[in-house]
Amino acid sequence: TQLLEQSPQFLSIQEGENLTVYCNSSSVFSSLQWYRQEPGEGPVLLVTVVTGGEVKKLKRLTFQFGDARKDSSLHITAAQTGDTGLYLCAGLSNFGNEKLTFGTGTRLTIIP
Amino acid sequence: DTGVSQDPRHKITKRGQNVTFRCDPISEHNRLYWYRQTLGQGPEFLTYFQNEAQLEKSRLLSDRFSAERPKGSFSTLEIQRTEQGDSAMYLCASSLDRKIGELFFGEGSRLTVL
Repeated sequence: TQLLEQSPQFLSIQEGENLTVYCNSSSVFSSLQWYRQEPGEGPVLLVTVVTGGEVKKLKRLTFQFGDARKDSSLHITAAQTGDTGLYLCAGLSNFGNEKLTFGTGTRLTIIP
Repeated sequence: DTGVSQDPRHKITKRGQNVTFRCDPISEHNRLYWYRQTLGQGPEFLTYFQNEAQLEKSRLLSDRFSAERPKGSFSTLEIQRTEQGDSAMYLCASSLDRKIGELFFGEGSRLTVL
């Protein structure tokens, strides 16, 4: 069973601060996705990373895939209240298993 | 609206009753997934289809659960003899074959078993 552990589980910070969320596993993934989910809705895809060491930027969000493709991080610069939500990482197995395994989630609250 | 749609959005039922959820994927997506999510947790994989073929079922899916995707279009997830532990959000997602990690989710069907 592939497990994706996210940390921290909960994070509450002031608007304007920076933060980093981590996603770790002992398994290798062929690709890793980050999703954001708001209450009462399904997750929405933010980004896909495929290559070890890859860095992708989406406005104030920076995503990094670990060199060994076992971990990832999400960094948010100058957080805004609209960033509030549940952040989920999800990995696609390196062994041809064609289902996405989701992490435990980080619930982020940005305080105005 | 051409996104993934799920019906019903909410279902309250008594223990022992059967319930059925429906999912209509994005029309050009041939892969369809069912996930279950409990409060504060990430989604857990239940099963997925490529066109009409059900290719994998999680061990989480007991004999009381069955999913179908006739004609490779919409899908149904039926839970027989519901138990209180079945209370959760049931999420459906679809994707293209060439982008199997990039799922488009519906808004979910929330089940409450009393």
